[in-house]
Amino acid sequence: GAGVSQSPSNKVTEKGKDVELRCDPISGHTALYWYRQSLGQGLEFLIYFQGNSAPDKSGLPSDRFSAERTGGSVSTLTIQRTQQEDSAVYLCASSLGGGVGTQYFGPGTRLLVL
Amino acid sequence: AQSVTQPDIHITVSEGASLELRCNYSYGATPYLFWYVQSPGQGLQLLLKYFSGDTLVQGIKGFEAEFKRSQSSFNLRKPSVHWSDAAEYFCAVGLSNQAGTALIFGKGTTLSVSS
Repeated sequence: GAGVSQSPSNKVTEKGKDVELRCDPISGHTALYWYRQSLGQGLEFLIYFQGNSAPDKSGLPSDRFSAERTGGSVSTLTIQRTQQEDSAVYLCASSLGGGVGTQYFGPGTRLLVL
Repeated sequence: AQSVTQPDIHITVSEGASLELRCNYSYGATPYLFWYVQSPGQGLQLLLKYFSGDTLVQGIKGFEAEFKRSQSSFNLRKPSVHWSDAAEYFCAVGLSNQAGTALIFGKGTTLSVSS
């Protein structure tokens, strides 16, 4: 079946602009996660959503970062007033349920802030 | 704070030789432990996971890992490496509640396979 999809695959933006990154989880998966992979910091957890529960935002690096999940499916990660240090690959993952369900990762969105 | 350490940044192994990738974690409770692999241009793929029970866990592609509580380690092994195993390997600990599990990753180990 279809895996986790993310769009765009690549995004180049200018410093100070806002960007939106999209994630389509595997159908039926109730948990959705966002991670960031950068050369300096490695793989970092950002935020997760599980069903109708309040999202766990503990990994968001600043208030410029936000995410929403509409209808329990598609999620959008928004970065406002982008900075060069935001350049990274943003990965989305989904799992069938909460708890310790296996997370299936998408291919990522490579963001470059000039 | 919870953390994962992968001491080896880069390892080169001859094809057919055995492999061991090291992983140490810092976590107050019984951890949920994972190994993921990332091939060039590919997404992260789960190799295996440990939650409880038998401390030797088997994964896909012939990999196994052993949880050693006394050493806070979860090393990944493979008896005979294939050229297709060249990739980056990440160890992770899961911070879990009923809602979900945030994965805390190590910095990764890049595996090169020589012929």
